[in-house]
Amino acid sequence: SQQGEEDPQALSIQEGENATMNCSYKTSINNLQWYRQNSGRGLVHLILIRSNEREKHSGRLRVTLDTSKKSSSLLITASRAADTASYFCAKDGGSNYKLTFGKGTLLTVNP
Amino acid sequence: AAGVIQSPRHLIKEKRETATLKCYPIPRHDTVYWYQQGPGQDPQFLISFYEKMQSDKGSIPDRFSAQQFSDYHSELNMSSLELGDSALYFCASSLAGNEQYFGPGTRLTVT
Repeated sequence: SQQGEEDPQALSIQEGENATMNCSYKTSINNLQWYRQNSGRGLVHLILIRSNEREKHSGRLRVTLDTSKKSSSLLITASRAADTASYFCAKDGGSNYKLTFGKGTLLTVNP
Repeated sequence: AAGVIQSPRHLIKEKRETATLKCYPIPRHDTVYWYQQGPGQDPQFLISFYEKMQSDKGSIPDRFSAQQFSDYHSELNMSSLELGDSALYFCASSLAGNEQYFGPGTRLTVT
């Protein structure tokens, strides 16, 4: 299985602080995609990072990828209460592009 | 921008009944995916189609089947429903190898 671990499972911070979530995987990947999900709602695509990329930015989001360590991290800077959600990394490692999701990190940003 | 459309948004069925979920992908996307997310779980890949042909299959029960039609919309058919089939069912679409965009999901409740 390509499923790895995400840590932490839960993270609680104050508004304005930075939040870092980590994702590891076991086999090679084509790309890795990060998603946000509010409770019981849809999955919102955040960033895709390809295996030949090391870092990508989008607004307050920064994603890094270390293929030698088979790990990725998502950094949210200057967090807001509206960032409260579950964050999933999803690995695309096969020839047919299906995604394998991690268990997710539940982020709570306290106002 | 157009998003992935799923219908119905909510569905309540009794055990042993049949359900059909519909998905309309983003225009010009060539790949459609179906995922199942149980309560408190991460999404699990069910099946995918590339250019209307089945391209990959995950842990999809034999009671489930899916197809993609000439207009690119897809349907997931679920028969002999069981209580354990209660979940959020997501459809996603992409240009192969690129970002997968998810629909809002269909919440299926089996009673």
